Amino acid sequence: SSELTQDPAVSVALGQTVRITCRGDSLRSYYASWYQQKPGQAPVLVIYDKNKRPSGIPDRFSGSSSGNTASLTITGAQAEDEADYYCNSRDSSGYHLTVFGGGTKLTVL
Amino acid sequence: QLQLQESGPGLVKPSETLSLACTVSGDSISRSGYYWGWVRQPPGKGLEWIGVIFNSGGTYYNPSLKSRVTMSVDTSINHFSLKLTSVTAADTAVYFCARLTAVTTSYHFDSWGQGTLVTVSS
Repeated sequence: SSELTQDPAVSVALGQTVRITCRGDSLRSYYASWYQQKPGQAPVLVIYDKNKRPSGIPDRFSGSSSGNTASLTITGAQAEDEADYYCNSRDSSGYHLTVFGGGTKLTVL
Repeated sequence: QLQLQESGPGLVKPSETLSLACTVSGDSISRSGYYWGWVRQPPGKGLEWIGVIFNSGGTYYNPSLKSRVTMSVDTSINHFSLKLTSVTAADTAVYFCARLTAVTTSYHFDSWGQGTLVTVSS
């Protein structure tokens, strides 16, 4: 399968920890990357190669992976973390080069 | 710092061809290890990859769009482009250009343009 599956919506209380998950067969072979997208803006890469952060991304963002599931964890969520989050990886099916998950809307309460 | 900027018409008529360009600044489009790609996002929906092109001109297209997509690259002006033919209202979306780092097990879009809204309407 060339799909990556994400929960449509997740909420977290301010300052608490939240995990956003992404499931797909491709994740058994390839690293996931994670993107944050705020309304009206372009996506921003926040995690790649399972758990690497680009320059400028706060260390409260971390990634992990096990089997067919990749996770993005925000430890101590801030109001500014409210956004849509998308996972992405190379596709292992050979049908697509790369594939995005459907996105998770994170609400910070 | 790498910057990407999309340009092109914001309104295209049904059945016509959507043409967009992406100008890259801050780095050479010829640098090895990267693909240059297009991703779109219909209003209120998620991200969909359209295709990527290597600096040599090699391409990969989303199979669902392959019959209508052509991408090209001009390394002399650090620029790559997208053409999508026979557009319909379903092609209305924000179109982003982006750089794809592609190394063995690691594929990620590390830089994005701001996006440009293209509306298909008569």
